[in-house]
Amino acid sequence: DAMVIQNPRYQVTQFGKPVTLSCSQTLNHNVMYWYQQKSSQAPKLLFHYYDKDFNNEADTPDNFQSRRPNTSFCFLDIRSPGLGDAAMYLCATSRDNGYTFGSGTRLTVV
Amino acid sequence: GEDVEQSLFLSVREGDSSVINCTYTDSSSTYLYWYKQEPGAGLQLLTYIFSNMDMKQDQRLTVLLNKKDKHLSLRIADTQTGDSAIYFCAESKGSASKIIFGSGTRLSIRP
Repeated sequence: DAMVIQNPRYQVTQFGKPVTLSCSQTLNHNVMYWYQQKSSQAPKLLFHYYDKDFNNEADTPDNFQSRRPNTSFCFLDIRSPGLGDAAMYLCATSRDNGYTFGSGTRLTVV
Repeated sequence: GEDVEQSLFLSVREGDSSVINCTYTDSSSTYLYWYKQEPGAGLQLLTYIFSNMDMKQDQRLTVLLNKKDKHLSLRIADTQTGDSAIYFCAESKGSASKIIFGSGTRLSIRP
């Protein structure tokens, strides 16, 4: 059973048109993360929530925002996607016993 | 700073052992991980090792850690075509701390 679910699996958006990616979890983990992975590169942490506390990485562009309305859900909002934002976006959760990753959403910008 | 490095490619013959190497810079790393990523898929945790261990074996997988040299390796015995993937080395300071990934090693299997 999928425990960290990302929807949709594939997302196509237009250049400059806001897009939201979603992540939900059934693990009751208190920490949720968003990673960006470009082709043939390492996943790069964008930000994470520790409970309701938002933690942004220093080099995450302002174009990227996140919301966590409750323990189970976390959203990644890209306000004005550029061609360079095309990537796989991975959600992960953790508690005391390690990480669980979702299957990712592959974002294409046209 | 935090840095994790791996070679980009490895090619092995089916049935041989694969050894993927990784070096890291942060001596305060507590957990060291190996993740597998198949094309178009998310990250699958293969195994991890605590920094106070020097070896961990799990079926065909053997992880070796040289903490003094900050060197981690993953050995896959009897490599099969299904092992073809990108393997990421990663480290963190705790099980709920952010993970820093290497750039991944693409393992290809030849017949």
